Amino acid sequence: GIQVEQSPPDLILQEGANSTLRCNFSDSVNNLQWFHQNPWGQLINLFYIPSGTKQNGRLSATTVATERYSLLYISSSQTTDSGVYFCAVREGFQKLVFGTGTRLLVSP
Amino acid sequence: SAVISQKPSRDICQRGTSLTIQCQVDSQVTMMFWYRQQPGQSLTLIATANQGSEATYESGFVIDKFPISRPNLTFSTLTVSNMSPEDSSIYLCSVRSFPNTEAFFGQGTRLTVV
Repeated sequence: GIQVEQSPPDLILQEGANSTLRCNFSDSVNNLQWFHQNPWGQLINLFYIPSGTKQNGRLSATTVATERYSLLYISSSQTTDSGVYFCAVREGFQKLVFGTGTRLLVSP
Repeated sequence: SAVISQKPSRDICQRGTSLTIQCQVDSQVTMMFWYRQQPGQSLTLIATANQGSEATYESGFVIDKFPISRPNLTFSTLTVSNMSPEDSSIYLCSVRSFPNTEAFFGQGTRLTVV
C-alpha cells in the first residue's frame, strides 16, 4: 500500500515565526488533504489539494503530484496553530491513508 | 460541507463491556467510514460502512470486535465490543459525498477503558 511520511515529526516555534511542513507519498495519488488536529482531538480540514497551490489566510499548500510531495506553509504562527498536522492521500477508490503527522508547538 | 455529529464525545468504560458510538450527518452522503487513532499515533481505517449491507473491514479489524451498522444515508454506528485497555483510542467517523471530493470528520469519541 501507499506509504505517507511527514517531516519534521516535531516542531517548536516562537509566535510569529514561519514554517514549512512536508508530506511525501510513495505512489501516484488523485486526492490529498491536509488536516489540523486540535488538542481536543478534532480534525479540521485545511486543504483539499490533489495538485497545484492554494492559500487560505496565513496558510498555504502546494502539491507536486508528479514528484509525490506536498508542502504546507504556516506564516506568522500563532499559539492557536499548535496541534498535530496530518496529510492524507486516497488509496484506490475509498481508503484515506494518513501520514505520520507533524506535532507543532507554538510558544508565546 | 456536511455537519457531522458524533456521540458520545468521550467515555470511560470498564473492561469487558461494549460501547456504541453514533455518527449522524445533516445530509445524505455516499460514503461513511470509521477510523481509530491510538494514543500518539496516526489514524487507521477500521471499516467502510455500507448502507444496507455488511461493512467492509480493513486488515486487522473484524466484525465481531467492531460491529458496524448503516441503516440509511445519514447515520451509522460503531460498537467496540468486549473492551480491553488496548481499545483506548479516539474513534472518528468520516464522510464523503462523491468519489473525488474531500473527506470530513466528526469531532471524535475519546474512549478510555479501565
